[in-house]
Amino acid sequence: GESVGLHLPTLSVQEGDNSIINCAYSNSASDYFIWYKQESGKGPQFIIDIRSNMDKRQGQRVTVLLNKTVKHLSLQIAATQPGDSAVYFCAAGGNQFYFGTGTSLTVIP
Amino acid sequence: SAVISQKPSRDICQRGTSLTIQCQVDSQVTMMFWYRQQPGQSLTLIATANQGSEATYESGFVIDKFPISRPNLTFSTLTVSNMSPEDSSIYLCSVRPAGLYNEQFFGPGTRLTVL
Repeated sequence: GESVGLHLPTLSVQEGDNSIINCAYSNSASDYFIWYKQESGKGPQFIIDIRSNMDKRQGQRVTVLLNKTVKHLSLQIAATQPGDSAVYFCAAGGNQFYFGTGTSLTVIP
Repeated sequence: SAVISQKPSRDICQRGTSLTIQCQVDSQVTMMFWYRQQPGQSLTLIATANQGSEATYESGFVIDKFPISRPNLTFSTLTVSNMSPEDSSIYLCSVRPAGLYNEQFFGPGTRLTVL
């Protein structure tokens, strides 16, 4: 299996600032990683993914960084908006995904 | 992407009864999974639903308690058997339409409360 943890359970940022959410995974065999956003009462929503042969991938306002040496993953959200307030999960694996504990992001207007 | 629907969206059940949750996808998908998410917690993988064969269960989950069917590439069911209050949770269907190393999508979830 896989043990996936997050460094902080909650994060508060000012609107317009950048957010960084971190994640650690335990299984060095994990070769595919996904960040999800979950709003209250909804299923997780795919944000961005990265494979183990990459160390950085960018999307719209989001960047995922992968450090395989220390088995660490981060999600950077640029110019955080109130609509970004949600719980963020990282998932690690390959055939199956194992999820971290989640970080609750609150954006302060 | 894939559009996933689950039925029921929520239910309140009595201890000792069973509930079957349905997952329907709008397109054929390679991989389907069932997860559980307890209130305020992360997602725990229950099993991989294999088309035409028995599901593959994760450690701590057994077929007698969580029987799964997957008769075709667009549909799966998860049954929560002989329920107890500890089974109160959100149950989520998830699919990976394009297979390995591709996006995995989630349904809206079924919120189960066991009294």
